[in-house]
Amino acid sequence: EVQLLESGGGLVQPGESLRLSCAVTGFYAMAWVRQAPGKGPEWVSSISTSGITTYYADSVRGRFTISRDNSENTLYLQMNSLRADDTAIYYCATLAYCGGDCSIRPFDFWGRGTLVTVSS
Amino acid sequence: DIRVTQSPSTLSASVGDRVTITCRVSQNIDRWLAWYQQKPGKAPKFLIHQASVSESGVPSRFSGSGSGTEFTLTISSLQPDDFATYYCQQYNTYSTFGQGTKLEIK
Repeated sequence: EVQLLESGGGLVQPGESLRLSCAVTGFYAMAWVRQAPGKGPEWVSSISTSGITTYYADSVRGRFTISRDNSENTLYLQMNSLRADDTAIYYCATLAYCGGDCSIRPFDFWGRGTLVTVSS
Repeated sequence: DIRVTQSPSTLSASVGDRVTITCRVSQNIDRWLAWYQQKPGKAPKFLIHQASVSESGVPSRFSGSGSGTEFTLTISSLQPDDFATYYCQQYNTYSTFGQGTKLEIK
């Protein structure tokens, strides 16, 4: 069974940076999905199995960078210029039915999430 | 951007009831729609993809239908474990989730 474990969340001030990590068992196309308090999930970014191809939501493009280290079975999300509306639980998830490079799919396995709070 | 609107926002029902949740999308997405169930403090659970294809292990009382811009999730006979929040997700053009439907005990 796929196991995903996020880490790196915390409280930061607006304009600061944070890097999230996700340890994953297996080799999958991956994504970060966030959920603000009381809201529906929001897709943030996806990355192919090779790490060569990446995709971003308009709300984070230019501020966030997704990457992966397949030798360490770890997915990352570098978040810069954080804003109050970036406050959310951030989940890493696997893209369902995707063998390599998929711009978007449903998300079949999810981690438990890590909370990011951006506040002064 | 493709907008996704779920209705109702809250649904009160009893064990054994048949319930239907609707998801409307702002443009034609063919059948590129998924459904999730989320319980408090947990990550969403993937139930259905391509509008009507259930994931392995999902009880048969859950079914999805629709195409184009209007979709439904039906639970044929509510069980106590089904009280949760349900989300639809379009994945035709990037991804957008609905705002959720909270299914609560009447």
